[in-house]
Amino acid sequence: GAVVSQHPSWVICKSGTSVKIECRSLDFQATTMFWYRQFPKQSLMLMATSNEGSKATYEQGVEKDKFLINHASLTLSTLTVTSAHPEDSSFYICSVQKTGTGNLGSEAFFGQGTRLTVV
Amino acid sequence: EDQVTQSPEALRLQEGESSSLNCSYTVSGLRGLFWYRQDPGKGPEFLFTLYSAGEEKEKERLKATLTKKESFLHITAPKPEDSATYLCAVQGNAGNNRKLIWGLGTSLAVNP
Repeated sequence: GAVVSQHPSWVICKSGTSVKIECRSLDFQATTMFWYRQFPKQSLMLMATSNEGSKATYEQGVEKDKFLINHASLTLSTLTVTSAHPEDSSFYICSVQKTGTGNLGSEAFFGQGTRLTVV
Repeated sequence: EDQVTQSPEALRLQEGESSSLNCSYTVSGLRGLFWYRQDPGKGPEFLFTLYSAGEEKEKERLKATLTKKESFLHITAPKPEDSATYLCAVQGNAGNNRKLIWGLGTSLAVNP
């Protein structure tokens, strides 16, 4: 498997401020990390794929200027929610996936998640 | 379009009452089907990977099986600590082939 550490586990911020969430791969050099958002009783929604040393790839409908992703090293990716508003309140989770062997898929390993509340 | 459907949406069992959760999928070129457990306020915890029809994986009270159209997660004699949401995801060949397609999950409650 892989061990992923996410920080903070919860944060409350005022509307209009920015919040940074860190995702660290502790035992695996991750060239790619994934950021998800999860609403209550909903499944995981992929927001973006974070690529080490290059720009992140955002899913359709996700504002890249709103959700800034930086993947400066093989063990750290950060998600910054800029000018946060109450509608950005959600559960944010990062994951790493090793490259599958041949054509086989590879499982994802997740951080603990960050509960963001914007007031 | 790749799609995953899980049923039932919610399930309540008595301790010791065995049951199965279903994950139906359509995907272009299955590269893997994954089961996860998620506790409230936590990230998903990996359980199993299945690659091809007929494959089975087992861990304690859980057993996952796979056909060409669906996967089952069998829970034998569940305990209250098995209460959680169980998520199913698939990975296919289309597009970004590391992307996982997720079901909405089954919320399982096991009463003592």
